[in-house]
Amino acid sequence: KQEVTQIPAALSVPEGENLVLNCSFTDSAIYNLQWFRQDPGKGLTSLLLIQSSQREQTSGRLNASLDKSSGRSTLYIAASQPGDSATYLCAVGVTNAGKSTFGDGTTLTVKP
Amino acid sequence: DTAVSQTPKYLVTQMGNDKSIKCEQNLGHDTMYWYKQDSKKFLKIMFSYNNKELIINETVPNRFSPKSPDKAHLNLHINSLELGDSAVYFCASSQGFLNEKLFFGSGTQLSVL
Repeated sequence: KQEVTQIPAALSVPEGENLVLNCSFTDSAIYNLQWFRQDPGKGLTSLLLIQSSQREQTSGRLNASLDKSSGRSTLYIAASQPGDSATYLCAVGVTNAGKSTFGDGTTLTVKP
Repeated sequence: DTAVSQTPKYLVTQMGNDKSIKCEQNLGHDTMYWYKQDSKKFLKIMFSYNNKELIINETVPNRFSPKSPDKAHLNLHINSLELGDSAVYFCASSQGFLNEKLFFGSGTQLSVL
């Protein structure tokens, strides 16, 4: 059974800092990994999708890496802004039938 | 226009009642999902449909019955609501079911009293 863990559970940083969020999974036989952002009371917005054959994906100030052999992914946020404050979740695609297992999320607060 | 829309946004009801949540996507996607997010914010898949066919049913009590009248709609009907059903229910869609990017609705917060 795939288990997904995100550390830390919460993170508070001053504006402008670069930061890394971590996601680890127990079974390396994954199909993909997605990073999402969830704002309070809102749905999830997909940030980056990494297929199992890829090592990283970039979008603007965001960079996500994937190391299947060690069961880890990181989300790097450069030059953080208060608008980045949200909960970030990673989801591991565990089959080719659309089933994803989510982590508990990391709640990020970026202080002005 | 909202890509994945679900209604209602809030639902407060008594134990034992039957209720439905509706979901529609205008992205032309083939696959739709229902996820449940509990009070600890843990998100877990419940059902997945591809072109109106059920492909994932994650040991959800049979009080929960999804229905997909067409590939743009996936509704969730819940019979005999229980206190433990209180959660936020999210609808999502993807182009196909081969682990593609997920698009989520804004959620339905269900409170069972």
